[in-house]
Amino acid sequence: AQTVTQSQPEMSVQEAETVTLSCTYDTSENNYYLFWYKQPPSRQMILVIRQEAYKQQNATENRFSVNFQKAAKSFSLKISDSQLGDTAMYFCARTALIFGKGTTLSVSS
Amino acid sequence: GAGVSQSPSNKVTEKGKDVELRCDPISGHTALYWYRQSLGQGLEFLIYFQGNSAPDKSGLPSDRFSAERTGGSVSTLTIQRTQQEDSAVYLCASSLDRGWTGPSEQYFGPGTRLTVT
Repeated sequence: AQTVTQSQPEMSVQEAETVTLSCTYDTSENNYYLFWYKQPPSRQMILVIRQEAYKQQNATENRFSVNFQKAAKSFSLKISDSQLGDTAMYFCARTALIFGKGTTLSVSS
Repeated sequence: GAGVSQSPSNKVTEKGKDVELRCDPISGHTALYWYRQSLGQGLEFLIYFQGNSAPDKSGLPSDRFSAERTGGSVSTLTIQRTQQEDSAVYLCASSLDRGWTGPSEQYFGPGTRLTVT
């Protein structure tokens, strides 16, 4: 089965701290796309960052970056300088159809 | 432009009734997806429409679930004879014509929270 696993159901950090959310996946394909989506309490899901498996360079979007380890099938999300607005559920996805169960991140002051 | 919209935002129905959930994708997006999000669970893929191709219905949990997309735009997800286990948030998303394996970002609607009593 092609699955995406997020092993941390919940995480809590203080403002300005750095946090890493883990994600592993299973696939037999060589090229594919990986995504991290954020779902705040408003329920509106938005894309945080995406990575093409073909590219070795880790994707970065402002305070968000990934550590993509293709051989290990690992795709973790690092949030630097955490802000209160980062409080949300974060979903890792491989392609558009395969999502993990999510990690609820709480950022406190 | 406008994002993906869904209606209603909340729906309470009695067990055994039929419900219809509506999704208006972003104009020009040919790919449309329906997901179910149950409490504490991730997104469960239900159905995927791509242009004029036959939809991928592989995620529909039972024959009580069906969906259609008229004119390549608006989509309706229908649940017949609702059961309590159907209670969940139903999310719709659309993306550009790159296929479900491609790089295109999905744009999600706000979801419909369905409660079956």
